[in-house]
Amino acid sequence: LAKTTQPISMDSYEGQEVNITCSHNNIATNDYITWYQQFPSQGPRFIIQGYKTKVTNEVASLFIPADRKSSTLSLPRVSLSDTAVYYCLVGDPLYNQGGKLIFGQGTELSVKP
Amino acid sequence: NAGVTQTPKFQVLKTGQSMTLQCAQDMNHEYMSWYRQDPGMGLRLIHYSVGAGITDQGEVPNGYNVSRSTTEDFPLRLLSAAPSQTSVYFCASGRPTGTNTEAFFGQGTRLTVV
Repeated sequence: LAKTTQPISMDSYEGQEVNITCSHNNIATNDYITWYQQFPSQGPRFIIQGYKTKVTNEVASLFIPADRKSSTLSLPRVSLSDTAVYYCLVGDPLYNQGGKLIFGQGTELSVKP
Repeated sequence: NAGVTQTPKFQVLKTGQSMTLQCAQDMNHEYMSWYRQDPGMGLRLIHYSVGAGITDQGEVPNGYNVSRSTTEDFPLRLLSAAPSQTSVYFCASGRPTGTNTEAFFGQGTRLTVV
């Protein structure tokens, strides 16, 4: 399973766009990139998953360059409620489906008024 | 659907006691797993299961047992609780699909061993 590296913490203000980058130099051909969000005292929640280029849903966008050695989670116009820890996971989707998730340290995002 | 349900939400144990953390899901998911999260840390995988009757060890399995007799339930047993097992425990479930491969987590069990 590929190791991931993310910033430990980030600060932002309401209304700004936040980009959190994750490095995964040893990503394998079959690996997907998945991001989870965790609020205090809650279990993680799936945000977005992608394999290459760009994926967008109602919550976020995920940008993956051609070499796939990094990825960027983009949160548009954050609000106070986006304050959470964000985890980047890399692995075979067979295991990503709740079978064998390997979490790193995560990025603690703090959104200020 | 209730999703993933964990019981109890809070538990205090004395060192050496045993107990079982319950996890149930009503989504007919094949995959289930247990994680622990210590303060300021990410989640660490304890045990996981890819189907009834099949379990395997994760990153930190020592001191914990699991079994998967049904698709719905995946209990985690602490054999002889130690203070080092004080943590928040999360259960998750998921199923193998081609897309939208997300895992669903329970609300957690906060365990304190004194």
